[in-house]
Amino acid sequence: EAQVTQNPRYLITVTGKKLTVTCSQNMNHEYMSWYRQDPGLGLRQIYYSMNVEVTDKGDVPEGYKVSRKEKRNFPLILESPSPNQTSLYFCASSLLAGGGKNIQYFGAGTRLSVL
Amino acid sequence: AQKITQTQPGMFVQEKEAVTLDCTYDTSDQSYGLFWYKQPSSGEMIFLIYQGSYDEQNATEGRYSLNFQKARKSANLVISASQLGDSAMYFCAMREDTGRRALTFGSGTRLQVQP
Repeated sequence: EAQVTQNPRYLITVTGKKLTVTCSQNMNHEYMSWYRQDPGLGLRQIYYSMNVEVTDKGDVPEGYKVSRKEKRNFPLILESPSPNQTSLYFCASSLLAGGGKNIQYFGAGTRLSVL
Repeated sequence: AQKITQTQPGMFVQEKEAVTLDCTYDTSDQSYGLFWYKQPSSGEMIFLIYQGSYDEQNATEGRYSLNFQKARKSANLVISASQLGDSAMYFCAMREDTGRRALTFGSGTRLQVQP
């Protein structure tokens, strides 16, 4: 089954404790992206990647890191989480080539609470 | 900069009736894609339908159709024969076809289907 898999689905942590949210896709997509969803602010892009070893900042990259060492994986790293990073996080992936209809498919989301 | 406006925070519809969710957009790009996603209470983001800026016909996917009026910059979602399972948040989104391919989301419409 074609899917984007995020882990964990739920995470409660404390300020300053490094964490990683994993994202993996099995559709051979070049493009991967992380978004966060906050009430009143909607979904905003954190980082994106056009291919292996190619990453760049989105709208709200501060406090986050990413890596793309393999095509299928795109982990989101919070080196020193703070309470303002409490949010619902989504990983998404899509094809790049072939024209406009490159649908971004989303993972099930990770609810993060930073105390 | 791209902007998506959804002016209906909440909508009610009777089961088996049709409902239209409004979406207007603003962009200076000539090539772009318009998407609708559904977010049930469980939180995942589910792709529903896509319309390309150069598509001359309105998109349809089963019970979903997109009423695309390019001159008015509107991309309304029509759900026919509503079902109880359609109760969810619905997001209109736009994606640039160049650059960082980020999805810009509207604030969403909460649809409640009543029996």
